[in-house]
Amino acid sequence: SQQGEEDPQALSIQEGENATMNCSYKTSINNLQWYRQNSGRGLVHLILIRSNEREKHSGRLRVTLDTSKKSSSLLITASRAADTASYFCAPRMDSSYKLIFGSGTRLLVRP
Amino acid sequence: DTGVSQNPRHKITKRGQNVTFRCDPISEHNRLYWYRQTLGQGPEFLTYFQNEAQLEKSRLLSDRFSAERPKGSFSTLEIQRTEQGDSAMYLCASSPTGEGSPLHFGNGTRLTVT
Repeated sequence: SQQGEEDPQALSIQEGENATMNCSYKTSINNLQWYRQNSGRGLVHLILIRSNEREKHSGRLRVTLDTSKKSSSLLITASRAADTASYFCAPRMDSSYKLIFGSGTRLLVRP
Repeated sequence: DTGVSQNPRHKITKRGQNVTFRCDPISEHNRLYWYRQTLGQGPEFLTYFQNEAQLEKSRLLSDRFSAERPKGSFSTLEIQRTEQGDSAMYLCASSPTGEGSPLHFGNGTRLTVT
């Protein structure tokens, strides 16, 4: 299956703390993407990491990829209440045009 | 880039009625996707267009569902004889061709079937 599975399903932290979310998948991939979804809104693309990359940064986001373990992690540093959202990973196979999403991680950042 | 636009934002309909949703993708994007999302779940893939051609339709989509993308621009998703189980958020996304191209999502149409 091309689907990624996020873990944990839910995460509650205090503002200022770091949040780590994990993603596991089963097939070989070309890249893996992370998306955020605020309540009642569409998904927003956060970051893409290619299969030949091990780590990538974007602002307060840090993504790692371990293709040998078929896993990825998303770290949000110095979290803010505005980071409260659901986060989804989407592994993408070679020549695949579609993304299959798991159930996501629901992050709550308490002020 | 005005983003992906979906209309209406909300639709309440009675069981058995037909409904149609519209999606206007980002103008230069030739790929267009429809997803369905229920509460607490991730988006489920429904169908995909490359320009005006519908290249894949999920088995989740019964024959009551039909999607079109005339002229490769906007797309419509029609649900005939709606059922309560059709209540969900319907999301549209677009992207340019090319590996790694991220999907740009609209804010969805929330359908409630009473």
